[in-house]
This record gives sequence, structure tokens and C-alpha cells, in this order.
Amino acid sequence: ETGVTQSPTHLIKTRGQQVTLRCSSQSGHNTVSWYQQALGQGPQFIFQYYREEENGRGNFPPRFSGLQFPNYSSELNVNALELDDSALYLCASSLMRGGRVDTQYFGPGTRLTVL
Amino acid sequence: AQKVTQAQTEISVVEKEDVTLDCVYETRDTTYYLFWYKQPPSGELVFLIRRNSFDEQNEISGRYSWNFQKSTSSFNFTITASQVVDSAVYFCALIGGYSTLTFGKGTMLLVSP
Repeated sequence: ETGVTQSPTHLIKTRGQQVTLRCSSQSGHNTVSWYQQALGQGPQFIFQYYREEENGRGNFPPRFSGLQFPNYSSELNVNALELDDSALYLCASSLMRGGRVDTQYFGPGTRLTVL
Repeated sequence: AQKVTQAQTEISVVEKEDVTLDCVYETRDTTYYLFWYKQPPSGELVFLIRRNSFDEQNEISGRYSWNFQKSTSSFNFTITASQVVDSAVYFCALIGGYSTLTFGKGTMLLVSP
């Protein structure tokens, strides 16, 4: 069974640039959730994708967008990067059954630094 | 709204000591799930346990044990005979009717030899 993978591991960008982060979900899972974790804080929910559609969104601006592909992998895109976007971005995959999400398993994260 | 509070920011113990990490939650949902995750310095969140709101039985897994009490909205985590490898940040989290995880701010556990 393959676990959740994320790429890249680290990324450095400058303000105003755009970035794409990628996530491959665990086999058998159909749901991907993205979280932002600032230094010293708990992860904050960005959005969730189920069967290629957004299934919930946290308190993040529209410049945070995502995609889920038929193989359930996912991308997180952030436009017009700001300094405060510097954080660890975590992807979690899970299985949704009967409208309820099972345990979420996390990838190793992508550490984004915005200069 | 859901909320998870981990009042202990940082705990330092010496190896072989027992340590309890506190977690208090708030939710209006009658059905919900509670979780504990471990985050070592590498950054990956490692799933430890899941508990549903209908199951108040305590659980023990090796040196780990969990005490879930609905009456006090608490889901505490105890490590018995701590080891240096237990050093990490531990997060308590909650899923209610809306299928997204709400995390606490985490407790950093430092176990020294």
C-alpha cells in the first residue's frame, strides 16, 4: 500500500509569484484535503476535494485554488504569493463513505518560503 | 463551530517518566470523531488514534493510552515510560458533522535522556 506523497519537498518563491504543489493520495482513497501549517501552529484547513469537486473550503482567499484528478491525486495552486503564505502545506488523503470522511492520512508536506 | 484546546504548549520530561497531554474540545455535533496525531521534526503528521463520540472506552496501545470523557469534553493522551523517540509535537483534532479536521495548537513534548 503506497502512502501519501507530496512534491516538491521545499520551495522558495518571491512575492507575487504563483506556485503549484502536488499530492498523490493513498491507494483506495477518494478524498484529498489540504492544510496550511504556519510555524508553531496547528494545521488550518484550506479545502477538500472529493471525486474531482471541491467539497468544502476553509477561510482562505480565492487565490488559493485546487484540482483533483481522476486518479484522485491533487494540486494546490496559490497565486500572487504573499509573505504570510510561507508555511508547511500538508495534504491528507482519506476515504469518504456515506458522506462521512474516514481517518485522514498525511503526506510529508511541502515547505514553502516566500521572500 | 468546532474548537480544540491544548492548553499545554510545551512539556519537558526525563526519559522513563509518564506524561499526559491534555485535550479539550467543543462541538455542537452529536456524532463526532477525535484524533491524536504526532508530528516529529521531519514534519509529517502521523496518525495515532481515532475515537468516535459513542465509544467512551479507554484504549491502550503499548506505552500509549487514551482517556475519553464526554462529560468533560476531554480526550487526554498518556505516554508511559517516555522515550527520547517520543519527542515531537502532538496534535489533538476533531471532525464533527462537517468532514474537515479541526486541530488544536499542539503540545511540544521534549524527552531528555
